[in-house]
Amino acid sequence: TQLLEQSPQFLSIQEGENLTVYCNSSSVFSSLQWYRQEPGEGPVLLVTVVTGGEVKKLKRLTFQFGDARKDSSLHITAAQPGDTGLYLCAGGYYGGATNKLIFGTGTLLAVQP
Amino acid sequence: ETGVTQTPRHLVMGMTNKKSLKCEQHLGHNAMYWYKQSAKKPLELMFVYSLEERVENNSVPSRFSPECPNSSHLFLHLHTLQPEDSALYLCASSQDPTSGHEQYFGPGTRLTVT
Repeated sequence: TQLLEQSPQFLSIQEGENLTVYCNSSSVFSSLQWYRQEPGEGPVLLVTVVTGGEVKKLKRLTFQFGDARKDSSLHITAAQPGDTGLYLCAGGYYGGATNKLIFGTGTLLAVQP
Repeated sequence: ETGVTQTPRHLVMGMTNKKSLKCEQHLGHNAMYWYKQSAKKPLELMFVYSLEERVENNSVPSRFSPECPNSSHLFLHLHTLQPEDSALYLCASSQDPTSGHEQYFGPGTRLTVT
């Protein structure tokens, strides 16, 4: 069974601080996606990484795919209250007739003003 | 309307009721998905449709019955549900299910079974 463990599960920080969220698995994925979900809404896709070692930046967010394509990290610089939400990683793999996503356990981030 | 829409946003139903959830995607995608999101559990894939054909059923109980009349619409028919079925039900779509992994989600239907 493929599992994606995220750490930490909960994080409460002050505005302006930096943070890193980790997404780890023993399985190899063909891609890794990060989503942010706000209360009462569905997950919103932030980024997709597909190459081992790949780094992508989205304003203050930096995403990295591990060299072995088993893990990923999300680093936020100078967090803002608008970054508050549930961050989900999802590993993509080819399973039968369809591509599938395995979702991580989630990291709930609260940024206090 | 843009993206993926879902109705209703909230639903309360008794265990003997029959109700349906609706999803519509305006992205021109060919694949649609139903997920269940429960507290403290990762998103669980329920069903996958590709070009209106069901290609994945993740051992979902028969009290959940999906329907995909065309590539833009997806329904989830509910009957004789249990309280443990209370959850956020999310619909998603992707360009097609055989290439790429990017899925785009709707806002979800918050279902409470009493």
